[in-house]
Amino acid sequence: DVKVTQSSRYLVKRTGEKVFLECVQDMDHENMFWYRQDPGLGLRLIYFSYDVKMKEKGDIPEGYSVSREKKERFSLILESASTNQTSMYLCASSTTGYEKLFFGSGTQLSVL
Amino acid sequence: GENVEQHPSTLSVQEGDSAVIKCTYSDSASNYFPWYKQELGKRPQLIIDIRSNVGEKKDQRIAVTLNKTAKHFSLHITETQPEDSAVYFCAEGAYGNNRLAFGKGNQVVVIP
Repeated sequence: DVKVTQSSRYLVKRTGEKVFLECVQDMDHENMFWYRQDPGLGLRLIYFSYDVKMKEKGDIPEGYSVSREKKERFSLILESASTNQTSMYLCASSTTGYEKLFFGSGTQLSVL
Repeated sequence: GENVEQHPSTLSVQEGDSAVIKCTYSDSASNYFPWYKQELGKRPQLIIDIRSNVGEKKDQRIAVTLNKTAKHFSLHITETQPEDSAVYFCAEGAYGNNRLAFGKGNQVVVIP
């Protein structure tokens, strides 16, 4: 079974803090994605990566950056957290582009 | 999800009845259409997907149908059971876009 692990289930941070959300997958998938999920808005793509050290902006990249130094790990960085970044963050990976995504359990981030 | 719309937003069905959720999309280049199920407090999971060269696909009690002319695809759940209660997300992908666009989700409630 594919395992996509997100380091924290719940996280509380203060406005202005730098926040790191970590995601690790154990199936040697080339492709990794970060989504945020908000009630009534569905899943929105923040950033994605199709290879090590490669990244592409999704639909809502403002205020975020990413890092992919190793194939199995994809980090989402909030450079200066703001209250409007309070959300559920979901990491996903796949072996076939954007098809058949495997999601992590999510990190519920609260920015106070 | 601005390119993908789901209807209805909430659907209640009696256990044993069928449920149908419809998604419309706007990009005529779209060629991949998955459905994800997210139970309360859990991660989204792929339940079925279809490509544009196929009109219908079935897997036990679930099926997806695609109407390319009208640009919509539907999820059909037969003999609904309480464990079918969840939020269902449709999505669409187009070759060259490198990403999925998700709908806002449909809440399905199966009443015992």
